[in-house]
Amino acid sequence: DAGITQSPRYKITETGRQVTLMCHQTWSHSYMFWYRQDLGHGLRLIYYSAAADITDKGEVPDGYVVSRSKTENFPLTLESATRSQTSVYFCASGLGQVRPHTDTQYFGPGTRLTVL
Amino acid sequence: EDKVVQSPLSLVVHEGDTVTLNCSYEVTNFRSLLWYKQEKKAPTFLFMLTSSGIEKKSGRLSSILDKKELFSILNITATQTGDSAVYLCAVYSGGGADGLTFGKGTHLIIQP
Repeated sequence: DAGITQSPRYKITETGRQVTLMCHQTWSHSYMFWYRQDLGHGLRLIYYSAAADITDKGEVPDGYVVSRSKTENFPLTLESATRSQTSVYFCASGLGQVRPHTDTQYFGPGTRLTVL
Repeated sequence: EDKVVQSPLSLVVHEGDTVTLNCSYEVTNFRSLLWYKQEKKAPTFLFMLTSSGIEKKSGRLSSILDKKELFSILNITATQTGDSAVYLCAVYSGGGADGLTFGKGTHLIIQP
């Protein structure tokens, strides 16, 4: 199906383990984003990518690694998970700063991650 | 640092009421302001505003932007229980990271 998908939808892991969250979009959007959503903080940008092989840090990048070898995929890796990384993670995509009216971002369904 | 503040943080009204949600912002190089609706899953796009004074409408929802006073409002008329959700305001600025800066949201509850 077309759109933006995330996997897994739910994940429980232990402190210190490496976890990778997957994001895939079929719109050929150039921009992709990872946000985390926590009570009291709202949505915060972790990393974003303007195109394949181009990534950059957002507001809260520490403890996370991203890659973008293909336009349609943007995985997020927690190298050594900590309890503070328990959150709901949303991937989003968009056309980015091509023109102002293309700023709209479309969100995936989210991954609920629990770190014990 | 870019900042987006929404008010109220929560609101409970009765079906049929009209509600106004507020969003104020302080950002460098403002490009656009977006409203999203979030039920128990991903945020879904409602409106994008880039110009002052031009109202965007979609059914019972409407929104307007004031770039001089740095705020936007989202109006919902004749509310229905299906309007219950968290409404998120986000701003896209030209400086710094390309992602959106979000407010904490307004949790709207519509009672039958």
